[in-house]
Amino acid sequence: AQTVTQSQPEMSVQEAETVTLSCTYDTSESNYYLFWYKQPPSRQMILVIRQEAYKQQNATENRFSVNFQKAAKSFSLKISDSQLGDTAMYFCAFMKLGVDDKIIFGKGTRLHILP
Amino acid sequence: DVKVTQSSRYLVKRTGEKVFLECVQDMDHENMFWYRQDPGLGLRLIYFSYDVKMKEKGDIPEGYSVSREKKERFSLILESASTNQTSMYLCASSAPQRNEQFFGPGTRLTVL
Repeated sequence: AQTVTQSQPEMSVQEAETVTLSCTYDTSESNYYLFWYKQPPSRQMILVIRQEAYKQQNATENRFSVNFQKAAKSFSLKISDSQLGDTAMYFCAFMKLGVDDKIIFGKGTRLHILP
Repeated sequence: DVKVTQSSRYLVKRTGEKVFLECVQDMDHENMFWYRQDPGLGLRLIYFSYDVKMKEKGDIPEGYSVSREKKERFSLILESASTNQTSMYLCASSAPQRNEQFFGPGTRLTVL
């Protein structure tokens, strides 16, 4: 069975700083997807970034980038130039390739961006 | 844009009541999911459905049932609500092999 572990329950950083959220996972699969989802306070969960395991290049979306270490089963999220609007709960997630799109989520990291 | 809507943002029910949580998506997605979200536990899958009238149990199906009579609508049913079912309930949908789930705004259910 797959598991996803986020070791930082809560973090706080000053606005404009760079912050890294950690995630490790366990799987015996060779092909899969990894995600970071963001859930702002009282708002809808949205996808931040997605990484395909067979791609060696780390995914990047504007200020968000990942450090994907397949051998170490590590998938961290880096937020550069953090903004107040980045305050949210962040979930790391794993999806095995298949037809049902089931996702396994970590327990989340609550990130506070301080003015 | 994909839109997933849930019938209520906040709901308060009494122990023993039958509770219906409704979820509707407008993107013709085959797959739909119900999760509950609790502090420190993340999101846990209750049930999912990959087609009309098809359903499969997730990790924590006890005390819940689901119904999917139409492709766009997926209902979560608490047959006899209990206080330990007080939680945030999230619905999601996806198209097969699109490799992304789209979430609704959530329903915060309180059972007294």
